[in-house]
Amino acid sequence: KQEVTQIPAALSVPEGENLVLNCSFTDSAIYNLQWFRQDPGKGLTSLLLIQSSQREQTSGRLNASLDKSSGRSTLYIAASQPGDSATYLCAVRPVRTGNQFYFGTGTSLTVIP
Amino acid sequence: NAGVMQNPRHLVRRRGQEARLRCSPMKGHSHVYWYRQLPEEGLKFMVYLQKENIIDESGMPKERFSAEFPKEGPSILRIQQVVRGDSAAYFCASSPRLAGEPNNEQFFGPGTRLTVL
Repeated sequence: KQEVTQIPAALSVPEGENLVLNCSFTDSAIYNLQWFRQDPGKGLTSLLLIQSSQREQTSGRLNASLDKSSGRSTLYIAASQPGDSATYLCAVRPVRTGNQFYFGTGTSLTVIP
Repeated sequence: NAGVMQNPRHLVRRRGQEARLRCSPMKGHSHVYWYRQLPEEGLKFMVYLQKENIIDESGMPKERFSAEFPKEGPSILRIQQVVRGDSAAYFCASSPRLAGEPNNEQFFGPGTRLTVL
């Protein structure tokens, strides 16, 4: 069964810092990996989708990388802002059970002004 | 282009009552997924539906839970005879492509927060 782990569980940084969030997964046979942010009491906002054949995707200040062979992905946030404060979730879709995403429990990020 | 819509946003039920959660996918999307987020836990897949068909319900409890996605209208997640353990946030996602396609991106609604008294 696919297990998804996100480290750290919580992170607090001063505004302007660059930071890296980590996601690891146990079954490397995946269709894709998707990063989301979740604000308190709200739904999930899709940030980046990386297909299994891709190594990275970029959107604005965000860059996500995928190393399928080692079962790892990182989300890099450049020049963090207080508005980036949220919980960041990583989800993978295994080939074996292609219909569903497996989610990590997230990294709660606080950017201090 | 409106996103995925869910209603109600908050639902309170007493033990033994029925809960009906609605999800309208994004325009042009014919694939719907339901997930449950229990307090302090990650999201867990429940069911995947296409129009008029349940494709994968492997994550759905065998009893009291059912889902449908009719030809017309929203997808419905129905929980009969609710218990306190059903209290959770229920999220719906939709996608325009088959689940098995690598570029299949899921878009999530704001969720329905169910509280069972």
